[in-house]
Amino acid sequence: GQQLNQSPQSMFIQEGEDVSMNCTSSSIFNTWLWYKQDPGEGPVLLIALYKAGELTSNGRLTAQFGITRKDSFLNISASIPSDVGIYFCAGQQRKETSGSRLTFGEGTQLTVNP
Amino acid sequence: SQTIHQWPATLVQPVGSPLSLECTVEGTSNPNLYWYRQAAGRGLQLLFYSVGIGQISSEVPQNLSASRPQDRQFILSSKKLLLSDSGFYLCAWSQQGTEQFFGPGTRLTVL
Repeated sequence: GQQLNQSPQSMFIQEGEDVSMNCTSSSIFNTWLWYKQDPGEGPVLLIALYKAGELTSNGRLTAQFGITRKDSFLNISASIPSDVGIYFCAGQQRKETSGSRLTFGEGTQLTVNP
Repeated sequence: SQTIHQWPATLVQPVGSPLSLECTVEGTSNPNLYWYRQAAGRGLQLLFYSVGIGQISSEVPQNLSASRPQDRQFILSSKKLLLSDSGFYLCAWSQQGTEQFFGPGTRLTVL
């Protein structure tokens, strides 16, 4: 089955530092998504990428859709304490009969020390 | 705008008891609906998805079941809970071929 390898599993950084995490797959995806989950809440969509090579920003967040369509990265610049949480990548293959199921990475737990 | 609701927010149930978790979506029609389980705050496991009323696809064999009695209502059920059913249950919706949006989740503890 499809698998996404997300790394690193966890990160401990100081406030103000930049963060980078990535996901790789053996399969090609048509869409890459990045979510953030705060403790006890549902994941919230941060960035969606639709084209190979696409680079998209959302405030201090920047994500790229790999040119091979098998990888994506997420960067967070100038981290702040509220960036704490679990970040998930997800790949999507559009299939008319499968309801656009997502394949999720295992998540990156980010801790920001003030 | 679209919103997704889940209830209850938390639930503590004894082993062997039945379960019913509800998810409803507002502000959209004919959504795709999904049930996920998350253990220990990591890894989302897709349990069921539905592309329409009465249409349920199961991803993982288990003692859980899902139903979609109305267009924007998705229910997760069990006749007899197991200890291993404990976890954080998330409902999500999407339109065909687009991103998924998650509800607030239900924390289930089976004792």
